[in-house]
Amino acid sequence: AQTVTQSQPEMSVQEAETVTLSCTYDTSENNYYLFWYKQPPSRQMILVIRQEAYKQQNATENRFSVNFQKAAKSFSLKISDSQLGDTAMYFCAFMKSGAQKLVFGQGTRLTINP
Amino acid sequence: EAQVTQNPRYLITVTGKKLTVTCSQNMNHEYMSWYRQDPGLGLRQIYYSMNVEVTDKGDVPEGYKVSRKEKRNFPLILESPSPNQTSLYFCASRLAGGLSSYNEQFFGPGTRLTVL
Repeated sequence: AQTVTQSQPEMSVQEAETVTLSCTYDTSENNYYLFWYKQPPSRQMILVIRQEAYKQQNATENRFSVNFQKAAKSFSLKISDSQLGDTAMYFCAFMKSGAQKLVFGQGTRLTINP
Repeated sequence: EAQVTQNPRYLITVTGKKLTVTCSQNMNHEYMSWYRQDPGLGLRQIYYSMNVEVTDKGDVPEGYKVSRKEKRNFPLILESPSPNQTSLYFCASRLAGGLSSYNEQFFGPGTRLTVL
Protein backbone atom coordinates (compact mmCIF):
# COMPACT_ATOMS: atom_id res chain seq x y z
CA ALA A 1 0.00 0.00 0.00
CA GLN A 2 1.12 3.50 -0.75
CA THR A 3 1.66 6.06 1.99
CA VAL A 4 2.27 9.80 1.86
CA THR A 5 3.89 11.72 4.71
CA GLN A 6 3.96 15.45 5.31
CA SER A 7 6.18 16.08 8.31
CA GLN A 8 5.38 19.78 8.76
CA PRO A 9 1.95 20.23 10.36
CA GLU A 10 2.25 24.03 10.27
CA MET A 11 4.44 26.65 8.64
CA SER A 12 4.46 30.41 8.73
CA VAL A 13 6.39 32.90 6.57
CA GLN A 14 6.30 36.58 5.71
CA GLU A 15 4.71 37.85 2.56
CA ALA A 16 7.07 37.81 -0.47
CA GLU A 17 9.30 35.14 1.06
CA THR A 18 9.91 31.74 -0.48
CA VAL A 19 8.63 28.68 1.36
CA THR A 20 9.13 24.96 0.77
CA LEU A 21 6.68 22.30 1.89
CA SER A 22 7.98 18.76 2.28
CA CYS A 23 6.40 15.50 1.20
CA THR A 24 7.71 11.96 1.10
CA TYR A 25 5.94 8.88 -0.15
CA ASP A 26 6.36 5.16 -0.19
CA THR A 27 5.45 2.96 -3.13
CA SER A 28 6.71 0.01 -5.10
CA GLU A 29 5.03 1.29 -8.25
CA ASN A 30 7.01 2.71 -11.12
CA ASN A 31 4.23 4.60 -12.90
CA TYR A 32 2.36 7.13 -10.83
CA TYR A 33 1.40 10.76 -10.39
CA LEU A 34 2.07 13.17 -7.56
CA PHE A 35 0.01 16.22 -6.73
CA TRP A 36 -0.16 19.23 -4.48
CA TYR A 37 -3.63 20.44 -3.55
CA LYS A 38 -4.48 23.71 -1.85
CA GLN A 39 -7.42 23.98 0.53
CA PRO A 40 -8.20 27.59 1.47
CA PRO A 41 -10.65 28.47 4.27
CA SER A 42 -13.49 27.95 1.78
CA ARG A 43 -12.57 24.22 2.02
CA GLN A 44 -12.50 23.84 -1.77
CA MET A 45 -9.83 21.42 -3.00
CA ILE A 46 -7.75 23.16 -5.66
CA LEU A 47 -5.14 21.37 -7.73
CA VAL A 48 -1.91 23.39 -7.59
CA ILE A 49 0.51 21.24 -9.53
CA ARG A 50 0.96 17.75 -10.91
CA GLN A 51 4.05 15.65 -11.61
CA GLU A 52 4.23 12.50 -13.70
CA ALA A 53 6.75 10.06 -12.28
CA TYR A 54 8.18 9.23 -15.69
CA LYS A 55 9.13 12.86 -16.29
CA GLN A 56 12.52 13.91 -14.97
CA GLN A 57 11.79 17.59 -15.39
CA ASN A 58 10.25 19.23 -12.36
CA ALA A 59 6.78 20.69 -12.90
CA THR A 60 6.22 24.43 -12.53
CA GLU A 61 3.08 26.56 -12.48
CA ASN A 62 3.83 30.27 -12.18
CA ARG A 63 5.09 30.82 -8.60
CA PHE A 64 4.71 27.14 -7.71
CA SER A 65 7.36 24.55 -8.49
CA VAL A 66 8.26 21.12 -7.26
CA ASN A 67 11.46 19.29 -6.49
CA PHE A 68 10.79 15.70 -7.49
CA GLN A 69 13.40 13.21 -6.34
CA LYS A 70 12.15 9.83 -7.52
CA ALA A 71 14.91 7.71 -5.99
CA ALA A 72 14.48 9.40 -2.64
CA LYS A 73 10.66 9.35 -2.99
CA SER A 74 10.50 13.01 -2.16
CA PHE A 75 8.19 15.62 -3.65
CA SER A 76 8.50 19.10 -2.17
CA LEU A 77 6.55 22.21 -3.17
CA LYS A 78 8.23 25.59 -3.44
CA ILE A 79 6.16 28.75 -3.38
CA SER A 80 8.06 31.81 -4.53
CA ASP A 81 7.09 35.40 -3.74
CA SER A 82 4.42 34.17 -1.34
CA GLN A 83 1.16 36.09 -1.19
CA LEU A 84 -1.52 36.45 1.48
CA GLY A 85 -3.84 34.42 -0.74
CA ASP A 86 -1.48 31.46 -0.46
CA THR A 87 -2.61 30.99 3.15
CA ALA A 88 -4.23 27.55 3.15
CA MET A 89 -3.88 23.90 4.02
CA TYR A 90 -1.70 22.10 1.48
CA PHE A 91 -2.01 18.41 0.77
CA CYS A 92 0.45 16.20 -1.04
CA ALA A 93 -1.18 13.28 -2.86
CA PHE A 94 -0.20 10.15 -4.80
CA MET A 95 -2.06 8.22 -7.45
CA LYS A 96 -0.92 5.01 -9.08
CA SER A 97 -1.23 5.14 -12.85
CA GLY A 98 -4.59 3.73 -13.93
CA ALA A 99 -5.95 3.76 -10.38
CA GLN A 100 -8.95 5.64 -9.12
CA LYS A 101 -7.80 6.54 -5.62
CA LEU A 102 -5.78 9.50 -4.45
CA VAL A 103 -3.68 8.82 -1.35
CA PHE A 104 -3.22 11.98 0.68
CA GLY A 105 -0.71 13.16 3.21
CA GLN A 106 -1.73 14.65 6.54
CA GLY A 107 -1.55 18.23 5.29
CA THR A 108 0.54 21.31 6.10
CA ARG A 109 -1.18 24.45 7.28
CA LEU A 110 0.63 27.40 5.70
CA THR A 111 0.16 30.95 6.95
CA ILE A 112 1.48 33.93 5.02
CA ASN A 113 1.90 36.93 7.31
CA PRO A 114 1.70 40.54 6.08
CA GLU B 1 -20.41 25.35 -15.64
CA ALA B 2 -18.66 22.02 -15.13
CA GLN B 3 -18.90 21.11 -11.48
CA VAL B 4 -19.46 18.61 -8.71
CA THR B 5 -22.22 19.57 -6.31
CA GLN B 6 -22.92 18.24 -2.84
CA ASN B 7 -25.89 18.68 -0.55
CA PRO B 8 -26.22 19.57 2.20
CA ARG B 9 -23.10 21.67 2.81
CA TYR B 10 -23.59 21.53 6.57
CA LEU B 11 -25.49 19.00 8.64
CA ILE B 12 -25.86 18.44 12.37
CA THR B 13 -27.64 15.26 13.33
CA VAL B 14 -27.97 12.80 16.18
CA THR B 15 -26.65 9.30 16.61
CA GLY B 16 -28.65 6.69 14.75
CA LYS B 17 -30.68 8.98 12.51
CA LYS B 18 -30.22 7.86 8.90
CA LEU B 19 -28.95 10.48 6.49
CA THR B 20 -27.93 10.84 2.87
CA VAL B 21 -25.41 13.24 1.38
CA THR B 22 -26.02 13.75 -2.30
CA CYS B 23 -23.35 14.21 -4.96
CA SER B 24 -23.94 15.11 -8.58
CA GLN B 25 -21.61 15.91 -11.49
CA ASN B 26 -22.45 17.36 -14.89
CA MET B 27 -19.28 16.33 -16.73
CA ASN B 28 -20.32 12.81 -17.78
CA HIS B 29 -17.53 11.36 -15.65
CA GLU B 30 -17.35 7.61 -15.17
CA TYR B 31 -15.36 7.63 -11.94
CA MET B 32 -16.84 9.00 -8.73
CA SER B 33 -15.67 8.65 -5.17
CA TRP B 34 -16.19 9.79 -1.61
CA TYR B 35 -13.47 10.94 0.79
CA ARG B 36 -13.54 11.99 4.38
CA GLN B 37 -11.13 14.56 5.81
CA ASP B 38 -10.03 14.45 9.44
CA PRO B 39 -7.38 16.54 11.23
CA GLY B 40 -3.96 14.92 11.11
CA LEU B 41 -5.16 12.22 8.71
CA GLY B 42 -5.68 14.07 5.46
CA LEU B 43 -8.33 12.73 3.10
CA ARG B 44 -9.17 9.04 2.96
CA GLN B 45 -11.29 7.29 0.39
CA ILE B 46 -14.55 5.78 1.63
CA TYR B 47 -16.09 4.28 -1.53
CA TYR B 48 -15.66 4.65 -5.23
CA SER B 49 -17.55 3.84 -8.40
CA MET B 50 -16.12 3.14 -11.81
CA ASN B 51 -19.47 3.37 -13.59
CA VAL B 52 -23.20 2.87 -13.15
CA GLU B 53 -23.96 -0.07 -10.83
CA VAL B 54 -20.22 -0.61 -10.18
CA THR B 55 -19.07 0.36 -6.70
CA ASP B 56 -16.28 -0.78 -4.41
CA LYS B 57 -14.86 -0.11 -0.98
CA GLY B 58 -12.10 2.35 -0.36
CA ASP B 59 -9.92 2.53 2.73
CA VAL B 60 -12.54 3.43 5.34
CA PRO B 61 -15.93 2.02 4.23
CA GLU B 62 -17.29 0.92 7.62
CA GLY B 63 -20.59 2.59 8.49
CA TYR B 64 -21.24 3.89 4.96
CA LYS B 65 -23.19 2.79 1.92
CA VAL B 66 -23.28 4.12 -1.62
CA SER B 67 -25.25 3.56 -4.78
CA ARG B 68 -24.72 4.47 -8.43
CA LYS B 69 -28.00 4.13 -10.26
CA GLU B 70 -27.31 7.03 -12.61
CA LYS B 71 -24.02 8.17 -14.04
CA ARG B 72 -24.28 11.69 -12.66
CA ASN B 73 -25.25 10.84 -9.05
CA PHE B 74 -23.36 9.08 -6.28
CA PRO B 75 -25.08 9.49 -2.89
CA LEU B 76 -23.37 8.62 0.40
CA ILE B 77 -25.65 6.96 2.93
CA LEU B 78 -25.10 6.71 6.67
CA GLU B 79 -27.66 4.20 7.92
CA SER B 80 -26.92 4.73 11.61
CA PRO B 81 -24.50 7.63 12.08
CA SER B 82 -22.18 7.67 15.06
CA PRO B 83 -20.06 10.48 16.53
CA ASN B 84 -16.88 9.04 14.96
CA GLN B 85 -18.37 9.86 11.56
CA THR B 86 -18.22 13.55 12.37
CA SER B 87 -16.01 14.77 9.55
CA LEU B 88 -15.68 16.81 6.37
CA TYR B 89 -16.82 14.83 3.35
CA PHE B 90 -15.81 15.34 -0.26
CA CYS B 91 -17.24 13.86 -3.41
CA ALA B 92 -14.96 13.71 -6.44
CA SER B 93 -15.27 12.68 -10.06
CA ARG B 94 -13.11 12.24 -13.13
CA LEU B 95 -13.14 10.74 -16.58
CA ALA B 96 -11.99 7.17 -16.88
CA GLY B 97 -8.68 6.78 -18.65
CA GLY B 98 -6.28 4.16 -19.84
CA LEU B 99 -3.55 2.75 -17.69
CA SER B 100 -1.10 5.39 -18.81
CA SER B 101 -3.37 8.40 -19.10
CA TYR B 102 -4.29 11.01 -16.57
CA ASN B 103 -7.56 12.83 -16.10
CA GLU B 104 -7.95 15.47 -13.44
CA GLN B 105 -10.08 14.69 -10.42
CA PHE B 106 -12.72 17.34 -9.66
CA PHE B 107 -13.85 17.82 -6.08
CA GLY B 108 -17.16 18.99 -4.72
CA PRO B 109 -17.33 21.84 -2.18
CA GLY B 110 -17.45 19.55 0.86
CA THR B 111 -20.09 18.65 3.45
CA ARG B 112 -19.42 19.35 7.10
CA LEU B 113 -21.19 16.63 9.12
CA THR B 114 -21.54 16.67 12.90
CA VAL B 115 -23.06 13.67 14.66
CA LEU B 116 -24.05 14.32 18.26
